[in-house]
Amino acid sequence: NAGVTQTPKFQVLKTGQSMTLQCAQDMNHNSMYWYRQDPGMGLRLIYYSASEGTTDKGEVPNGYNVSRLNKREFSLRLESAAPSQTSVYFCASSGALGVDTQYFGPGTRLTVL
Amino acid sequence: EDQVTQSPEALRLQEGESSSLNCSYTVSGLRGLFWYRQDPGKGPEFLFTLYSAGEEKEKERLKATLTKKESFLHITAPKPEDSATYLCAVQVGTDKLIFGTGTRLQVFP
Repeated sequence: NAGVTQTPKFQVLKTGQSMTLQCAQDMNHNSMYWYRQDPGMGLRLIYYSASEGTTDKGEVPNGYNVSRLNKREFSLRLESAAPSQTSVYFCASSGALGVDTQYFGPGTRLTVL
Repeated sequence: EDQVTQSPEALRLQEGESSSLNCSYTVSGLRGLFWYRQDPGKGPEFLFTLYSAGEEKEKERLKATLTKKESFLHITAPKPEDSATYLCAVQVGTDKLIFGTGTRLQVFP
């Protein structure tokens, strides 16, 4: 089992460009999450999906959109990237929302110039 | 306001020198406390979940404990391969996992 996979691993964008971060899990988990990690700050939740077909905002959703494509896949889209979105993005999944342990992917390091 | 604080920010140990990392929290309605290990350039790797005060869990040289206000991650006789950042997170409600900023541990031979 690969667990949680993310693509790409690295990305450099110019301000105003758009891109989609991809995440997939093979653990048959119901819930999936997107976090960002910045120096000196804890991981912060951007969006989450409690189950297939549902998505909800987390702590820092502005400037992002998400799609729960199916049970396995959860994508994060930046429509118009800004330098403030330079960060490391992690996808996670868990069996159920608010109960089970979250397992994390390897991350995507994004730089917006 | 729900808050998780980890201390110290950084810790340097000699190989074999045991120590403890602290995670203190002020939250309403704790549902669980999680410890993760994060290596540079990698995603957090799950270590332990603790659910109630008095609970303890062990894995190799690591032991996690929980009280009503804080958790400790005890590292016994650490080795250089234990060097990493250790993250604490608290589950509050069904959709809120609050992370601390981590303790960066370096173990020297």
